[in-house]
Amino acid sequence: GENVEQHPSTLSVQEGDSAVIKCTYSDSASNYFPWYKQELGKRPQLIIDIRSNVGEKKDQRIAVTLNKTAKHFSLHITETQPEDSAVYFCAASKGGTYKYIFGTGTRLKVLA
Amino acid sequence: GAVVSQHPSWVICKSGTSVKIECRSLDFQATTMFWYRQFPKQSLMLMATSNEGSKATYEQGVEKDKFLINHASLTLSTLTVTSAHPEDSSFYICSGAESTDTQYFGPGTRLTVL
Repeated sequence: GENVEQHPSTLSVQEGDSAVIKCTYSDSASNYFPWYKQELGKRPQLIIDIRSNVGEKKDQRIAVTLNKTAKHFSLHITETQPEDSAVYFCAASKGGTYKYIFGTGTRLKVLA
Repeated sequence: GAVVSQHPSWVICKSGTSVKIECRSLDFQATTMFWYRQFPKQSLMLMATSNEGSKATYEQGVEKDKFLINHASLTLSTLTVTSAHPEDSSFYICSGAESTDTQYFGPGTRLTVL
């Protein structure tokens, strides 16, 4: 069935260092890959997304890369700050209003 | 970005009672709304997908008679947890999608069943 694996489950980095979170999806028909940040007790917030016709997308300190052949996509956060501490979820979808398949989440802790 | 609201933000109820949660898209028309359940330190688990004016599509293992979903308009969907039990206690989150790929999430409702 449809599945998204996400690693690592927890990640601690020093402030200013980079953080990388990786996801692998199973359904080759997936063509939309959003990343959400969720702080404790709050709603998931979209931070960046990528579509299958693009290999990389960047927005300031955040970037996402996609390898369609390997069915991998990754979130890269550079120059991490304490306020980046949160749980990050990747997801895969077939696009449009099709459902998301979420990864299991990565708890990122940025140490000051 | 698009805004989705949920009401109530938290609710405590007695076992055996029913609870209704509302999800509203405030500045866009959500042709599709999704209902998720999230346990502490876990991912979002999709419960059902609802399209305006149609019956909801439930994920495998989700009891449709227990979790009643209504999507009567393009801006409102409701989830009713019927005959709630302590194991139904959870964080329920909705999201709405217009015609594009992106889902916009509500702030969630924390349900505690005593």
